[in-house]
Amino acid sequence: GAGVSQSPSNKVTEKGKDVELRCDPISGHTALYWYRQSLGQGLEFLIYFQGNSAPDKSGLPSDRFSAERTGGSVSTLTIQRTQQEDSAVYLCASSLGTESNQPQHFGDGTRLSIL
Amino acid sequence: GDSVTQMEGPVTLSEEAFLTINCTYTATGYPSLFWYVQYPGEGLQLLLKATKADDKGSNKGFEATYRKETTSFHLEKGSVQVSDSAVYFCALSRSGGYQKVTFGTGTKLQVIP
Repeated sequence: GAGVSQSPSNKVTEKGKDVELRCDPISGHTALYWYRQSLGQGLEFLIYFQGNSAPDKSGLPSDRFSAERTGGSVSTLTIQRTQQEDSAVYLCASSLGTESNQPQHFGDGTRLSIL
Repeated sequence: GDSVTQMEGPVTLSEEAFLTINCTYTATGYPSLFWYVQYPGEGLQLLLKATKADDKGSNKGFEATYRKETTSFHLEKGSVQVSDSAVYFCALSRSGGYQKVTFGTGTKLQVIP
């Protein structure tokens, strides 16, 4: 489809395991964002990519979290040694540019559950 | 820093009732303002936006007016439907090297027949 695609849609894993979450943005969108949405909470900004570089990683909650983007397209968010508090929905968004009037287009998210 | 404050939910309305969801913001400069909607199990979708003072965004019967004097962007709809049941997020966006978006905590709307 033409929208932002995230995979997997659901992930259940044991505490201490590593997980990788994937985001495929809309073709041609140079900006890519990762957010975390915990139950009953708003969106927590994690990281922003412009092309393959990440000018703002300020939202990553700990050094267990990392992300990369290759070819100016697909991005992977990796969580190492998962903890129960990492359980949340991880949303990816992309936008055509960085002007403030450009809306972000969201994927359906990955629901991560840590047992 | 920037912030967005929304009325707390959940909001429960009967079908065809009038909807208002309040949103106020704090930001420097001249941000763009958005309403996003999230249906169960899905990501956020842009509902409407306004990019300067006194602009009115509208879509699917929803409206919101950018009020700089009251720093508000309240969402309204004259007659809600069951299919409008969702979580609504108010957001502001500023350009500061990149598009920095601040979201409110969301307001859950439930419309009952």
